[in-house]
Amino acid sequence: NAGVTQTPKFRVLKTGQSMTLLCAQDMNHEYMYWYRQDPGMGLRLIHYSVGEGTTAKGEVPDGYNVSRLKKQNFLLGLESAAPSQTSVYFCASRTGTRILYEQYFGPGTRLTVT
Amino acid sequence: GQSLEQPSEVTAVEGAIVQINCTYQTSGFYGLSWYQQHDGGAPTFLSYNALDGLEETGRFSSFLSRSDSYGYLLLQELQMKDSASYFCAVRPTGANNLFFGTGTRLTVIP
Repeated sequence: NAGVTQTPKFRVLKTGQSMTLLCAQDMNHEYMYWYRQDPGMGLRLIHYSVGEGTTAKGEVPDGYNVSRLKKQNFLLGLESAAPSQTSVYFCASRTGTRILYEQYFGPGTRLTVT
Repeated sequence: GQSLEQPSEVTAVEGAIVQINCTYQTSGFYGLSWYQQHDGGAPTFLSYNALDGLEETGRFSSFLSRSDSYGYLLLQELQMKDSASYFCAVRPTGANNLFFGTGTRLTVIP
């Protein structure tokens, strides 16, 4: 049981390049989330999904797109990277059935945009 | 909107007790959660308070007072491995996501 995995772990992009971050979970969770973490700003929600084929915007969605074609995968896309998107990106998932609200996080992707 | 305030840094001595506070402004929420994050690592869930009062899990306890818009995480018998950042988070009413505070960096010294 790998939990939540993220690919890649590190990436350097040039301004204007595009890339896709992949999140995969093997816990059969309904809900999946993408966060970014910047120094002193905690975790901010980019987009999330409440089930296969659904997505919704979070606090800071601009410049990002997401897709949830399969229940176990949640992709985060940057169409035209900007230096302001330099950050650590975390994916998380949770079950929809538990009362206790616990999110499971992946190890993160450290992205630098030059 | 939501606002969660935490002290940015706390230092405590190994073996001691430390309290990390979280004051919030929100129109409504289901419960208050706490997450721990070591440097370079992922956040991991510590505790959740749906109701007012104290929840205890081993050396860690978490408290919530909705009337005071306040919660805290209490760490007892501090160990060096407790050095990490700690985040409080709320699930706003009607939402399927968490809103996180800016985090408190705890440093445990010998």
